[in-house]
Amino acid sequence: GENVEQHPSTLSVQEGDSAVIKCTYSDSASNYFPWYKQELGKRPQLIIDIRSNVGEKKDQRIAVTLNKTAKHFSLHITETQPEDSAVYFCAASKGGGADGLTFGKGTHLIIQP
Amino acid sequence: DTAVSQTPKYLVTQMGNDKSIKCEQNLGHDTMYWYKQDSKKFLKIMFSYNNKELIINETVPNRFSPKSPDKAHLNLHINSLELGDSAVYFCASSQLNTEAFFGQGTRLTVV
Repeated sequence: GENVEQHPSTLSVQEGDSAVIKCTYSDSASNYFPWYKQELGKRPQLIIDIRSNVGEKKDQRIAVTLNKTAKHFSLHITETQPEDSAVYFCAASKGGGADGLTFGKGTHLIIQP
Repeated sequence: DTAVSQTPKYLVTQMGNDKSIKCEQNLGHDTMYWYKQDSKKFLKIMFSYNNKELIINETVPNRFSPKSPDKAHLNLHINSLELGDSAVYFCASSQLNTEAFFGQGTRLTVV
């Protein structure tokens, strides 16, 4: 089955700086790659997603890049703010059936004031 | 008008008991899921289900079973609860290969 590796497990950045979280996946049939943000005690919520026919997608301060050949994708957050502090999960799925999402192990992002 | 709702939010029970967690979605999605989040925050899929197929993660003990009375509901039944079952369980729904919407989670504590 699919395996998703995520790094780093913890990332501390100064407010205003950029943060980058990287993920790799194993199944070349995967074609949908969402990123979820989970605040303490809350449910995971989608912040951005990308499909395999696109190399990059941006939404205000958040961007995701995908390299299908290398089977890795990354989340970029610019001009970080205190409210960006949370756990971020990457995920992959291949559709075609009710497969569900395979998640990475999460990155705890800490924004230092 | 919550999209995905699950009950209860907290569940404390003794080892050996049988319990159920209910989940309902009003998004009209075809597929529903159960995920387990352990103490290290790792999210792992347990089941995915639509009206055509049930996919079971091979690592899930057969003490866990999903029950779907209709397309909008997917309940989770757990028999003979063990200490290691303590975790947060999330229900979710989606259309195939699109954004999954999660419920608020059920924190299960087995004592």
